Amino acid sequence: SQTIHQWPATLVQPVGSPLSLECTVEGTSNPNLYWYRQAAGRGLQLLFYSVGIGQISSEVPQNLSASRPQDRQFILSSKKLLLSDSGFYLCAWIGEKLFFGSGTQLSVL
Amino acid sequence: AQSVAQPEDQVNVAEGNPLTVKCTYSVSGNPYLFWYVQYPNRGLQFLLKYITGDNLVKGSYGFEAEFNKSQTSFHLKKPSALVSDSALYFCAVRALLGGSGSARQLTFGSGTQLTVLP
Repeated sequence: SQTIHQWPATLVQPVGSPLSLECTVEGTSNPNLYWYRQAAGRGLQLLFYSVGIGQISSEVPQNLSASRPQDRQFILSSKKLLLSDSGFYLCAWIGEKLFFGSGTQLSVL
Repeated sequence: AQSVAQPEDQVNVAEGNPLTVKCTYSVSGNPYLFWYVQYPNRGLQFLLKYITGDNLVKGSYGFEAEFNKSQTSFHLKKPSALVSDSALYFCAVRALLGGSGSARQLTFGSGTQLTVLP
């Protein structure tokens, strides 16, 4: 069956610390994968998307980066978190069907 | 570029009354339209979608949405609201990302907070 997994569900990190959020999919090959961020419970902003291994496109400049080390794995990272990185992060797999991860609530203190 | 507008940040309705959450869109070509609901600190839950066919789409939890091509709208409706319907609702349109060929993205509206009062 086709599924998407995202972890961790919640994360509290100090300013300046690194970040790694992971998203994996099952039941498909060569999926198009996406990272969205939702700030303050409002709209969802597309951060990165990937159409294949090693292929990353950024929609907005920011303190974050993404990587696609394996076909079904998509990672969101930061070397040094900022307060403004706090928010709710969603991984998505968008093809003929749409799947969303369960989200990660990141609080940077 | 595609866009979605949800003109109301907040909608309040009494329990048992009908509710409407408004959405208008702008996209090149035929739109694929979606409604999602989000409960506090949770991910998105799919409610319904319009791809083609009947303009009135029925979805989960008794919700429905009407696609109006001339008005480029896709308003979410429910005949009788429940307190448990209180949540954040997002309208979204799916379209191609520029320059990527096969990649598509969902462009979301800014969300509408629905509060159903007992």
